Amino acid sequence: KAGVTQTPRYLIKTRGQQVTLSCSPISGHRSVSWYQQTPGQGLQFLFEYFSETQRNKGNFPGRFSGRQFSNSRSEMNVSTLELGDSALYLCASSLVSGDRGQDGYTFGSGTRLTVV
Amino acid sequence: KNEVEQSPQNLTAQEGEFITINCSYSVGISALHWLQQHPGGGIVSLFMLSSGKKKHGRLIATINIQEKHSSLHITASHPRDSAVYICAVRSGNQFYFGTGTSLTVIP
Repeated sequence: KAGVTQTPRYLIKTRGQQVTLSCSPISGHRSVSWYQQTPGQGLQFLFEYFSETQRNKGNFPGRFSGRQFSNSRSEMNVSTLELGDSALYLCASSLVSGDRGQDGYTFGSGTRLTVV
Repeated sequence: KNEVEQSPQNLTAQEGEFITINCSYSVGISALHWLQQHPGGGIVSLFMLSSGKKKHGRLIATINIQEKHSSLHITASHPRDSAVYICAVRSGNQFYFGTGTSLTVIP
């Protein structure tokens, strides 16, 4: 079966711009979660969506937002980009929200965002 | 203070050695995850466990809920096991990650 697909793979943006990243989960998975990974902070949880509803949210400013569509595909948006937003953004899908499923998470390859 | 602590930070082993990576956490959890990240960024979920022990091939993960501690063991290590191993826990609505253990297995 197809894995989790993230697009684009690489992106360069200018400070102050906004960006939208996309994540298509494994077919049948209804939960999508997003993570930011930087050399300084490591992996950090952004938010989780299930059935088009945000279920959980990490400690990120309101510039970071997301949504999930009826086909479970998810997008995350970062507005007013800052240099510190340069990171690898990963999404993961799972059958259900939280840790109630037995299969864990399947991660995408990530989008590497560079803000200049 | 980090909610999740891993040790060691870096580990070099000879091919065939038995490897142990440790993870301690300070919050109540619903489950603990072990993740593997190869150079280039891709992450693979190895285990999700909330009690006891799980085994998959040469990998074994254990968790002691009372002691808030988990270990990941690799038996008969191989150079292809070289990667960063990350421990993560879900606590309530939050997800916390360790800083990772960078493993290098030398042929």
